[in-house]
Amino acid sequence: AQSVTQPDIHITVSEGASLELRCNYSYGATPYLFWYVQSPGQGLQLLLKYFSGDTLVQGIKGFEAEFKRSQSSFNLRKPSVHWSDAAEYFCAVGGNFGNEKLTFGTGTRLTIIP
Amino acid sequence: SQTIHQWPATLVQPVGSPLSLECTVEGTSNPNLYWYRQAAGRGLQLLFYSVGIGQISSEVPQNLSASRPQDRQFILSSKKLLLSDSGFYLCAWSESEGYTFGSGTRLTVV
Repeated sequence: AQSVTQPDIHITVSEGASLELRCNYSYGATPYLFWYVQSPGQGLQLLLKYFSGDTLVQGIKGFEAEFKRSQSSFNLRKPSVHWSDAAEYFCAVGGNFGNEKLTFGTGTRLTIIP
Repeated sequence: SQTIHQWPATLVQPVGSPLSLECTVEGTSNPNLYWYRQAAGRGLQLLFYSVGIGQISSEVPQNLSASRPQDRQFILSSKKLLLSDSGFYLCAWSESEGYTFGSGTRLTVV
């Protein structure tokens, strides 16, 4: 069965500092991986996705993620966070280019301090 | 362009009352549609998905049901709400680029 683990429930970083959110997945076939962001009381917005090819993918808002098959990981990074990045972040895995059921991690809540 | 509409945004319902949440999509045909629930402090749990009109798959046993009466309409229902049905409900549709989510419905059962 497919699964996603986000080991960090809550992370606090200073504005301007770098960020890395961890994601590990389990999937029996070629994984299609996603990062979504959710602001309080809102739906989820796609940050970036990995289907194939270059293992370092760029997303919106200055985020990037690196797919490491040997580690079954898809960590999200940003070199310098902004106060507006405070939100909850979800990693997800699925198949068929994302056009089927996605399994989500439990999320990481990001707090930014001045 | 494709859009997804979900309503109402918030809802407070007494225990034992019925529920109907509606989701519609525009700008696409024959989408895969999904209902997820997000309980406080938890991730997203897939409740139902549909690959076509009248085709509903349930992921977890529960007090809820879903229907897809039209290609671009997906409805989440309950005959009698329980306190445990409280949560944030998200509708989504998928295509070859992943999911697009609605803005969600905050349901509080009192």
